[in-house]
Amino acid sequence: RKEVEQDPGPFNVPEGATVAFNCTYSNSASQSFFWYRQDCRKEPKLLMSVYSSGNEDGRFTAQLNRASQYISLLIRDSKLSDSATYLCVVNRGDTGRRALTFGSGTRLQVQP
Amino acid sequence: GAVVSQHPSWVICKSGTSVKIECRSLDFQATTMFWYRQFPKQSLMLMATSNEGSKATYEQGVEKDKFLINHASLTLSTLTVTSAHPEDSSFYICSALTPNTEAFFGQGTRLTVV
Repeated sequence: RKEVEQDPGPFNVPEGATVAFNCTYSNSASQSFFWYRQDCRKEPKLLMSVYSSGNEDGRFTAQLNRASQYISLLIRDSKLSDSATYLCVVNRGDTGRRALTFGSGTRLQVQP
Repeated sequence: GAVVSQHPSWVICKSGTSVKIECRSLDFQATTMFWYRQFPKQSLMLMATSNEGSKATYEQGVEKDKFLINHASLTLSTLTVTSAHPEDSSFYICSALTPNTEAFFGQGTRLTVV
């Protein structure tokens, strides 16, 4: 089983739609969680950190469920510019090394 | 956010030669940097963890004699791909951890070995 699993998509949605991505992680000792965005042939960029209480940044809402080892990202009112691959990222706390483990990413294509 | 600069952004080299990639944190000190490799349509795979002033920690299956990592200062880590072969062609990305453990990435280096 992969350490971090995501639905690869692609998700094809019209502009203005609401779309949700899910991610599960296998290491219960994981300490911190992030969503990154990666555009084609570019480096990943931090979109938002994910906290147990849930957090919102404009049209983006992230949720963490530690009991189920599940992370989600909700995008409201999708824009064309939201088209990218969204990476679920988990900090591996078990080995003491602060390394990030990436999911394989979920591709989003927002269509006019 | 913090700035991490990676150089070169792309390189083409002949099989058997070595290529050095630099990763610099421009506005913060990074005791820890990471090197990743990404093949087309695949996820980023951690190759090694680079710690300033000590030896790098390599992930299973990554040859430390082939991928030489040097982290000589708090703002610079280098990855040298030695005796490169076509199968080493990939997108190499570094990241650096800020003091509050956020990771920022370099722009990536697209390596093509011919």
